[in-house]
Parts: sequence; C-alpha cells; structure tokens
Amino acid sequence: AQTVTQSQPEMSVQEAETVTLSCTYDTSENNYYLFWYKQPPSRQMILVIRQEAYKQQNATENRFSVNFQKAAKSFSLKISDSQLGDTAMYFCAFIYNYGQNFVFGPGTRLSVLP
Amino acid sequence: DTGVSQNPRHKITKRGQNVTFRCDPISEHNRLYWYRQTLGQGPEFLTYFQNEAQLEKSRLLSDRFSAERPKGSFSTLEIQRTEQGDSAMYLCASSLDGFGANVLTFGAGSRLTVL
Repeated sequence: AQTVTQSQPEMSVQEAETVTLSCTYDTSENNYYLFWYKQPPSRQMILVIRQEAYKQQNATENRFSVNFQKAAKSFSLKISDSQLGDTAMYFCAFIYNYGQNFVFGPGTRLSVLP
Repeated sequence: DTGVSQNPRHKITKRGQNVTFRCDPISEHNRLYWYRQTLGQGPEFLTYFQNEAQLEKSRLLSDRFSAERPKGSFSTLEIQRTEQGDSAMYLCASSLDGFGANVLTFGAGSRLTVL
C-alpha cells in the first residue's frame, strides 16, 4: 500500500524562527513526485513546493526548502523566517502510477506565534 | 480563468436526502479529481477523470455516490440517501495531463453537513 505519514499532528514556531515538518512515505514505485501543500484556516489548499523523485537536488522555493532522502523515504519541509501567514495545515503528498493517484498524509497543524 | 470553482460552498441536509455538488475546473485542465476531507485529516481520494472518462474510483465511493463529467468540462458528485457519516468537505482539484504536469489546483471545497 502507498502511504504517507506525518508524525507531528501539531507544531508551533515563533515568528522569524525556522521550523521543520517531517514526512515519511512508503511506496514500491520508482517514478513519483512529492509535494507539500498548505491549507490556511477556511481557505483552499495551495501548493508550497514539489520534488521529483529522480532528482537528488533538494527543491527550494523562497523561504521553503525540502530535505529529500530517497533511500529513507523521507521528505521534510523547512520553513525559514516563519511569518504569521504561514499558519496553516501542511500536507505531504505524493503521486505515482504515471500521474493518476495522489496520496496525502494526515497533515501537521502549524501555528506561527507573534 | 479564476481557478477551480465549487458550488455550493456549504450544504446542510437531512439524512436520507440526495445532494449534488458541482466543480468547474480550470478550462485547459483535462484531469479532474474528487477528494473527501474530514476534520483534521488529509484529503482522501474518491475518483478521477481524464476528460470525460472516469478512470478510477476509490472503494470509499460506495454505490450511493456517483460522479460524472459530461463533455470533459464541469463535473458533478451526487450522494444519494445521505448518511451522517457523509458529513465532510468535498474537494475538487484539476490538473494538466502528463506525469510532469501533475500539480493539483484545488477548489475551495463544498462542505456537507448531514443532520
């Protein structure tokens, strides 16, 4: 079975600090993409960052970066210089089988404190 | 194009009634997905369309659920004889075709409350 685990149901961080959200996944596929999506309170889900499994270089997107460890099947998200607007649920996800199935983790609720 | 649109945003119904949700994807996206999200959980895959063809259905999609995408444009998700366990947020998402173009764009969701 293809699964995604996020072991931190809730986290908090002080504004301007750095926080890392963890994600592990299980798949027997070789071709897949990994994602972090953000869902602010009462708002729609938006893409934060994407990583191709065949690329060794970790993806970065402004203050957001990932640490992708393919052998360990680990895909953590680092948020630098946290801002109040980063408060949201964060979902780790991957897609396999040539783009047909997205599997999401249970989410981590991040609160950025002033 | 204003993104993925879902209607209604919130539906309250009594147990046993039928409800229908509509999703209008981004116009050039030929893939359309339906997910269900319960409070505090991640989205769970329900079904997926490539153009008008429904290519996969989750076992979560009981025979009370039906989804259509006529002409490969908008999609509807109908739930017949609703049960309290159907209360959830129903998310629609769309994407381009191809493994490398698979970023999902989500709608705001349709929240169903079954009394």
